[in-house]
Amino acid sequence: EAQVTQNPRYLITVTGKKLTVTCSQNMNHEYMSWYRQDPGLGLRQIYYSMNVEVTDKGDVPEGYKVSRKEKRNFPLILESPSPNQTSLYFCASSSSGTGLSYPYEQYFGPGTRLTVT
Amino acid sequence: QKEVEQDPGPLSVPEGAIVSLNCTYSNSAFQYFMWYRQYSRKGPELLMYTYSSGNKEDGRFTAQVDKSSKYISLFIRDSQPSDSATYLCAMSRAYGNNRLAFGKGNQVVVIP
Repeated sequence: EAQVTQNPRYLITVTGKKLTVTCSQNMNHEYMSWYRQDPGLGLRQIYYSMNVEVTDKGDVPEGYKVSRKEKRNFPLILESPSPNQTSLYFCASSSSGTGLSYPYEQYFGPGTRLTVT
Repeated sequence: QKEVEQDPGPLSVPEGAIVSLNCTYSNSAFQYFMWYRQYSRKGPELLMYTYSSGNKEDGRFTAQVDKSSKYISLFIRDSQPSDSATYLCAMSRAYGNNRLAFGKGNQVVVIP
């Protein structure tokens, strides 16, 4: 089954304790992205990656890091989480646009609800 | 001014009613327009997409794009309780650029 998986699904942590949220896709997609979703603010892009070893900042990158060492994985790292990073996080992937598939269909993972106290 | 504006106010309608949702945008470079549907506790899923101006119909759903007014709409006919979800508009600039700009989303509740 084609899917994007995220782990953990729920996480409660304390300020300053480093954490990593993993994301993996099995569709051989080149493009991967992280979003956060907050009430009244909608989906905002944190970081994205066009391919292995190619990453770039989205709209709200402060306080986050990413890496793309393998095509299928795109972990999100919070080196020193703060309460304002409490949010619902989504990983997404899409194809590069070659071939007949619609290139802008981003497949989203199930979400990770993070609470930082 | 945000690139994409979508009034996030919740919308409650009786079953069978027509649901009308819309977004406005400021960036004339947007060429691809999408609607995503997000059920509670799930990630968004692509519902419909259109390229440039015009209408597109898929069953009970119709998407409209008016590039001259920078305005897009989604209509749901004969709404069903299973249509209860949050609907997000999204836009992209050009082929080969996968970055999407999202609206805030509209929560729709269809009451049986």
